[in-house]
Amino acid sequence: GAGVSQSPSNKVTEKGKDVELRCDPISGHTALYWYRQSLGQGLEFLIYFQGNSAPDKSGLPSDRFSAERTGGSVSTLTIQRTQQEDSAVYLCASSSELSAPLHFGNGTRLTVT
Amino acid sequence: QKEVEQDPGPLSVPEGAIVSLNCTYSNSAFQYFMWYRQYSRKGPELLMYTYSSGNKEDGRFTAQVDKSSKYISLFIRDSQPSDSATYLCAMRNTGTASKLTFGTGTRLQVTL
Repeated sequence: GAGVSQSPSNKVTEKGKDVELRCDPISGHTALYWYRQSLGQGLEFLIYFQGNSAPDKSGLPSDRFSAERTGGSVSTLTIQRTQQEDSAVYLCASSSELSAPLHFGNGTRLTVT
Repeated sequence: QKEVEQDPGPLSVPEGAIVSLNCTYSNSAFQYFMWYRQYSRKGPELLMYTYSSGNKEDGRFTAQVDKSSKYISLFIRDSQPSDSATYLCAMRNTGTASKLTFGTGTRLQVTL
């Protein structure tokens, strides 16, 4: 595709439910990143994929958060047993190589009620 | 103390003004420096990408990096209402596989 695509663009869920957020990176980009942006906060790194492997999961806030990437392309971020503090915009980015700049999608705005 | 500090603003300037946006950082290992622009309800869009110290110019935008002072700047000349957005600085070191550390962003409003 022309850019990084994320779905859904908005998600409202009840506390305690599981959610899945999807990211479709730019075609050919081997690196994929998930960030979280909360109101008044900068972007918080969550996880990074190179191909299908995740060398750096250091930013995942708890074991309720997990992510996978299949076929070196689409990635899914899963949040189990959502809490109100999980409410944020979840941004996905991809890059063509390690030293290349990141290209971001428009994010998924998650609201946990 | 955060690794990257950025004044959140908001910063309001009249159309045509020169805008100066700044970030300071504490990690001397940072080598790559970026500025992103983010419109409301959109993802960050890369504006400038620089390596190490020095200046880089692209149209109305100039990025400056002073590693000795751990200070980076973005200048916008002849500011336009369409420049109204949040500007995020970001940086990384050479060994962290593109993991970026972001500032919190400065909200800029350019008025007619």
